[in-house]
Amino acid sequence: EPEVTQTPSHQVTQMGQEVILRCVPISNHLYFYWYRQILGQKVEFLVSFYNNEISEKSEIFDDQFSVERPDGSNFTLKIRSTKLEDSAMYFCASSEVFSTDTQYFGPGTRLTVL
Amino acid sequence: AQKITQTQPGMFVQEKEAVTLDCTYDTSDPSYGLFWYKQPSSGEMIFLIYQGSYDQQNATEGRYSLNFQKARKSANLVISASQLGDSAMYFCAMREAQGGSEKLVFGKGTKLTVNP
Repeated sequence: EPEVTQTPSHQVTQMGQEVILRCVPISNHLYFYWYRQILGQKVEFLVSFYNNEISEKSEIFDDQFSVERPDGSNFTLKIRSTKLEDSAMYFCASSEVFSTDTQYFGPGTRLTVL
Repeated sequence: AQKITQTQPGMFVQEKEAVTLDCTYDTSDPSYGLFWYKQPSSGEMIFLIYQGSYDQQNATEGRYSLNFQKARKSANLVISASQLGDSAMYFCAMREAQGGSEKLVFGKGTKLTVNP
């Protein structure tokens, strides 16, 4: 069964460093998303991406964040200068043809900022 | 105001029994979708079931069913014949169609523990 994959599963970085989180969405899906979950809290929407551009973003998704689809399979989230409060689980998700379809989540990347 | 409210921080159920996890939502959009996801201790988010606002019948997927009461704005998840592997966090989420929004809004979750 097709699934969303994410790498790495766990990333540890120093405050101020740049990190890139990688995702491979389900192959025939056209809509891609990033969510984050701070430990013990609810899942929060960051950004959605369609047709090589951002279609929606939350107030959390400020200038330190960026997304990219560098090739036909990968979808990345870059955090330019990490802060302690960026420590969270980051989930990539994808949905099929229409954005109203079910979003399938990857296993997540746990980011720890020291 | 909270869009999705899950009032039960934790629930306990005996193996093989049924359990209902509560979810109420708040929207003025006539077109919306409701989702339930399971998050085991390993951390991944697993899609369980979907209910559209215009669906006439309650959604079912195997042992999962959604008790959709539109007038009360509730979308409770019913798990029948609980198994030890059902122990996890369960999140209710909503997507509103208004304005073409694609984001899911999640509740705070309910931690379900299935006892042997």
